[in-house]
Parts: sequence; C-alpha cells; structure tokens
Amino acid sequence: QKEVEQDPGPLSVPEGAIVSLNCTYSNSAFQYFMWYRQYSRKGPELLMYTYSSGNKEDGRFTAQVDKSSKYISLFIRDSQPSDSATYLCAVNTNAGKSTFGDGTTLTVKP
Amino acid sequence: EAGVAQSPRYKIIEKRQSVAFWCNPISGHATLYWYQQILGQGPKLLIQFQNNGVVDDSQLPKDRFSAERLKGVDSTLKIQPAKLEDSAVYLCASSLRTKTSGLRADTQYFGPGTRLTVL
Repeated sequence: QKEVEQDPGPLSVPEGAIVSLNCTYSNSAFQYFMWYRQYSRKGPELLMYTYSSGNKEDGRFTAQVDKSSKYISLFIRDSQPSDSATYLCAVNTNAGKSTFGDGTTLTVKP
Repeated sequence: EAGVAQSPRYKIIEKRQSVAFWCNPISGHATLYWYQQILGQGPKLLIQFQNNGVVDDSQLPKDRFSAERLKGVDSTLKIQPAKLEDSAVYLCASSLRTKTSGLRADTQYFGPGTRLTVL
C-alpha cells in the first residue's frame, strides 16, 4: 500500500467550475501537508502548505486537512484555463522527507 | 532571485552507459534533494543533503547511483551503469531547512529537471 494515494484523474472541467482534488495518507506521523502544481516539462511549484486540520485559503485555492480521517483536499474556485496542470499532494514528517502522491492531471476548457 | 538550475535538460543514452546530472541550488539553501519522477508518477526522493552531509539516502539504488555535494553547494547525481527502468525526469530541489529550522522552513523549490531516456 502506498503511503499517499491520490485520485488519479484525469479531470476535465469547463472554465469557472469548482474543482476538488483529493488524497489520503496512511501514516499518522505525517504532520505537514502540501499541494504542488506541475506544468508540463516543468518542476513542481508549491501552491499551499498547512500543518493542522482545517481549511487554509489563498485566493481561489483552499486546502483542507482532516487528520482524523487522514484525508487532504484542494479546492479551486472559478477555475481558469491557466490552472490546467498536474496537481501533486505531498506529506512530510518532522525529518523533512516529502512523500508525494502520483498526481491528478486537470484540464480546464475555455 | 535565481531559481534552482539543472543541466543538461535532456539526455539520451544506451543501457549500460553512464550519465551525470548537475544541480545548482538557490543561494543560501542548506538542504538539497534529488528526486526521480517516472512518467505518470509523483517524485520519489533519492537522496537528501544538508550542507554537504547525507540526511537520507534510503531509496537510492546504491549499486548504480551515486551523489555528492561538494562544499555544500552544487551537487551531481551519477548513474553507472544505466538500466532501461532509469528512464525518468531527475528533479533537484533545495530548501532553507537546517537541523533547527523545523518544518516551516522546508518549502522546497524545484528545478526544471533533466529528462533521461535510456535505450
């Protein structure tokens, strides 16, 4: 069993839709939760991070963590064609080792 | 601020040949990471350096992969001999993380990667 499981996608939505991206993790030692965005042929870039249960909002993006069910989500409001990319969830332990999900590829159609 | 630099961007070799990748992290970043990203998968950590010491190399196939970070700045990752299954993108990342900085300094900045094809 993988330590981090991510909804595989791909996901295709019309412009303006609300997008929900989801991951589950197995180890309660993970304390730090991140979402990365990766455009084609580029390295991942950090979108959001959080270290507690609850919601964290940044513009059109909301990261949600539920430690009791080991579930993390990223919501994108008013999705734009420029949001088309692969989204990776990642979790960290205190030692700073990141474990990534396999990514969900999102396409937002104009 | 300059980002993480990697070279070459693309490399094609035949199996059993050797190859080396280079990474220059963001200036002042103590921690450097090498990841392997196979098509359709997330990045997998190969090795993590803090300054010039190895923090974690538990997933590095040490019979064929080696890495060094001389003087705690640039790093090279080498594969010798390469296998077909080594075809992947090799990503370098850096962060400000130190022994005492804790998780909040662990934002990793990734380079563009080196795409390796082994024929």
